[in-house]
Order: sequence, then structure tokens, then C-alpha cells
Amino acid sequence: DQQVKQNSPSLSVQEGRISILNCDYTNSMFDYFLWYKKYPAEGPTFLISISSIKDKNEDGRFTVFLNKSAKHLSLHIVPSQPGDSAVYFCAASSNTGNQFYFGTGTSLTVIP
Amino acid sequence: DSGVTQTPKHLITATGQRVTLRCSPRSGDLSVYWYQQSLDQGLQFLIQYYNGEERAKGNILERFSAQQFPDLHSELNLSSLELGDSALYFCASSRDRKNSPLHFGNGTRLTVT
Repeated sequence: DQQVKQNSPSLSVQEGRISILNCDYTNSMFDYFLWYKKYPAEGPTFLISISSIKDKNEDGRFTVFLNKSAKHLSLHIVPSQPGDSAVYFCAASSNTGNQFYFGTGTSLTVIP
Repeated sequence: DSGVTQTPKHLITATGQRVTLRCSPRSGDLSVYWYQQSLDQGLQFLIQYYNGEERAKGNILERFSAQQFPDLHSELNLSSLELGDSALYFCASSRDRKNSPLHFGNGTRLTVT
């Protein structure tokens, strides 16, 4: 049972424009959400996170939005750069457990 | 550099064999997690250790086992290997405090022939 879903396997965006990556979850007990970026032949790199007490967290060009009622989070990258081309995973965990549940990833291509 | 070290980077072995993957967590991290990523799949949680004790188990096969040693490094043992075990195996570590992220190593790519 996939508790964290990324329904878009891929996304292409022009350099300088906004990239929006989406993620849905099913478990209402999740209270901590993360985004990871992964380049080929490397491990996932932590990008940004948000706890359920917030609805927005910003770090430079990266902003994560959380909509708890819709069980949806999104990652906005503005402006997108060619170096942002990678696979992005969202993940979630709950205070009651130690497992982190990952989505299947979205491959972002930023076109110069 | 995440600070998590995994060895070896690549492993090629035959069906029926046994291999050991090794992970050194970031300095100060007591929790170690193992994940499997098969082709075009997401990250599947296998098992978590905290300060030497098994804490959580995911979709780990009975042919697989893990342990965490007193120096906090961890090993994942895969035995009676099958072709379908070919995958990337990632280790991650964390501070194990509320809202602390996982930090991943660069993985071990296992190819079973």
C-alpha cells in the first residue's frame, strides 16, 4: 500500500520558469514531510522539510506547501535552473513511528 | 557529502551467493535505516536500527538480515541471492529527534547474475 504518491513520473520546465512538483499522502498520522533530490549514481540529498504545524516553508529558491485537509504537498522551485534536473522524492513520517515513507519520484528536466 | 559512507559501491555476484553491505552513519547519528530501490521503483524501507537495537522492520525478506554494531556502523546481509535482488541499496542515518531528516549514503549497486 503506497502511503505517499507522486503521480507525475516526469516534468519538463523551461529555465527561469517555476517548477511545481506534487505529492499526495493517505495517512493522516503523518506530521513531518520532506523533499529529497537525487542525481544519477548518488544517494538522495535532503532538500527541504515541513512539519504539520506549518503550511509553508521556504529556503532560497525552494518552497514547500502543505495542505493538510487535502493531504497534499508541493515543492515549488523558482526560478528553475538546469542544475535542478534530477529526480525528486517526497517523504513523510509520523511522530508515532520511525519509518519514512517515500513516493516513487518525479524526474524533473529543466530545459536551457 | 552527507557524511554517510557505504561500501562497496558496486557488487556483482551470482545467484545463490551471499553478500554483505556496509554503512557508516554520520557522526553523532544513532539511527541507521536501510532502503532498497529496484529499477524505476521508489525507495522501499527494509529495516531500522537505533543504537544497536532493531527498531522497525519494513518489507525485508527473510533471506536478508542486518545488524548495528557498538561503533554504530551497520551491515546488511543478503543471502541465497536471486536475480530479483538486483537493486540499489541505500543506507541512511538520522539524529532520531523529532523532525530530523534522513541523510543518505551513495548506495551500493548490487547486480545478481
